[in-house]
Amino acid sequence: LAKTTQPISMDSYEGQEVNITCSHNNIATNDYITWYQQFPSQGPRFIIQGYKTKVTNEVASLFIPADRKSSTLSLPRVSLSDTAVYYCLVGDNRGTYKYIFGTGTRLKVLA
Amino acid sequence: DTGVSQNPRHKITKRGQNVTFRCDPISEHNRLYWYRQTLGQGPEFLTYFQNEAQLEKSRLLSDRFSAERPKGSFSTLEIQRTEQGDSAMYLCASSLGAAATDTQYFGPGTRLTVL
Repeated sequence: LAKTTQPISMDSYEGQEVNITCSHNNIATNDYITWYQQFPSQGPRFIIQGYKTKVTNEVASLFIPADRKSSTLSLPRVSLSDTAVYYCLVGDNRGTYKYIFGTGTRLKVLA
Repeated sequence: DTGVSQNPRHKITKRGQNVTFRCDPISEHNRLYWYRQTLGQGPEFLTYFQNEAQLEKSRLLSDRFSAERPKGSFSTLEIQRTEQGDSAMYLCASSLGAAATDTQYFGPGTRLTVL
């Protein structure tokens, strides 16, 4: 299972775009990249998943370069309610795969 | 609400007591996972089921822990002779199947406090 490295914490202001980068140098061919968001005392919430290039949904974009050794979660125009911990996960949900969470990135959005 | 549900949401118990948690996955999800999360850390995998079969258990799952998923629907996680070190948030997740893009959807968790 590929190990991921993320910044421990980030601060941003309301209305700004936030980019959180995750390194996964040992990503395998079959691995997907998945991001979760977690608020205090709640379970993680799925944000976005991708394999390569760019993926966009209603809440975020995920940029994955050609070598797939890193990925960037982009949150457009953050608000105070986006203050949370963000986890980058790499793996393949087939077989006996289970998610390996790191400590995540604590994003604090300031007014 | 058709998400993953967990009960109870909070449990306070005394050391040495047994506790049982329940997880109801999203309907028709074949896989069910249990994780444990302590303060400031990411969730740690405990075990998972494919339908009613328990296919993998982490070394974190000591013999005081047992999980079941009768009939492949809801699951229970029991902790016997609780210890203070068992205090944590216990999270349940489910996924549709075993395809590469079948993401896991998490419940709200059960917070256990062992006094």
